[in-house]
Amino acid sequence: QKEVEQDPGPLSVPEGAIVSLNCTYSNSAFQYFMWYRQYSRKGPELLMYTYSSGNKEDGRFTAQVDKSSKYISLFIRDSQPSDSATYLCAMKNFNKFYFGSGTKLNVKP
Amino acid sequence: EAGVVQSPRYKIIEKKQPVAFWCNPISGHNTLYWYLQNLGQGPELLIRYENEEAVDDSQLPKDRFSAERLKGVDSTLKIQPAELGDSAVYLCASSEGGSETQYFGPGTRLLVL
Repeated sequence: QKEVEQDPGPLSVPEGAIVSLNCTYSNSAFQYFMWYRQYSRKGPELLMYTYSSGNKEDGRFTAQVDKSSKYISLFIRDSQPSDSATYLCAMKNFNKFYFGSGTKLNVKP
Repeated sequence: EAGVVQSPRYKIIEKKQPVAFWCNPISGHNTLYWYLQNLGQGPELLIRYENEEAVDDSQLPKDRFSAERLKGVDSTLKIQPAELGDSAVYLCASSEGGSETQYFGPGTRLLVL
């Protein structure tokens, strides 16, 4: 079993939709949770990170962590075609990052 | 401020040939990571440096892979000899020590024929 599991998609939504992306994990020692966006043929770009459980909002993006369920989510409101990319969740333990396999999102105009 | 720089961006070689990748991290970032990313997968750590010291190389296939970070700045990752299964994207990232924020370069896309 991988430490971080993520549905690969692809996920296709119309412009303006609310998008929900999710990851589960097995290691209860993870304390930092991150979401990266990766455009085709580019390196991952950090979108948001949260520490421990709770919610964090940044513009159209909301990150949610539920440590009791070992489940994290990223919500994108009013999705735009420019949000079309692969979204990677990541978790950190002892200076080591563990990445999900990524969910490919396509926002149709 | 310049981001993480990697070169080359693309490399095509025949199997059994050597290949090297270069990374220049963001100025002042003492932690440097090399990751391997296969198609449809997330990055997997190969090696992590704190300054010039390799502090985590447990996932580096040492029979064919080597890395160095002289003077604690630039880093080079080498494969010798390359195998077909090494075809992937090699990503370099850097961060300030202990930070949760790591910045990735654009990657080097390697194709081994």
